[in-house]
Amino acid sequence: EAGVAQSPRYKIIEKRQSVAFWCNPISGHATLYWYQQILGQGPKLLIQFQNNGVVDDSQLPKDRFSAERLKGVDSTLKIQPAKLEDSAVYLCASSFSRGVAGAGETQYFGPGTRLLVL
Amino acid sequence: GQNIDQPTEMTATEGAIVQINCTYQTSGFNGLFWYQQHAGEAPTFLSYNVLDGLEEKGRFSSFLSRSKGYSYLLLKELQMKDSASYLCAVRTNDYKLSFGAGTTVTVRA
Repeated sequence: EAGVAQSPRYKIIEKRQSVAFWCNPISGHATLYWYQQILGQGPKLLIQFQNNGVVDDSQLPKDRFSAERLKGVDSTLKIQPAKLEDSAVYLCASSFSRGVAGAGETQYFGPGTRLLVL
Repeated sequence: GQNIDQPTEMTATEGAIVQINCTYQTSGFNGLFWYQQHAGEAPTFLSYNVLDGLEEKGRFSSFLSRSKGYSYLLLKELQMKDSASYLCAVRTNDYKLSFGAGTTVTVRA
């Protein structure tokens, strides 16, 4: 079974530029998550989708970050304009479906996109 | 928010045992996960506990005490490839995961 795919793997931009990340979840997984992981910290949830609807975006800095999952499969996360403090790894994860108890809700992570803002 | 604490670093010798503790404070507890993360790679799922007790999976075991807000991950017969960061994550009833900062384990020959 293919895992969560993300691209690009690395990105270097200057502050105030824009950047977009792409994620393709595991086939059949209804729930998709975007996390930000700053060096030396655990992942922090930015946004959670259930199919193509937003479940939780309370920690997404909406003045500069946006995300969409139009067809309920792939998702893109955009930063516009980027700031120095956005330098981090952006992880995408997916799980089978929300509301299913137990380990069936385990989140599986993609390899991440390493963003460096200069 | 959730308060999740785990040690920053631990060092052990190849073949030894290491125990990584995790304490948490949360409302609406709905499970505790352990993930392994090698440098520059994605977190990979190791274990899941929702009831009190010990879950064993090969060289790795995870323990949970809900009344104490405490879990540990036990790594036995350490191998060099076990050098990684180990993340404790608490799930709440809204199915959100909150992660600790991770414990970097270094295995020495």
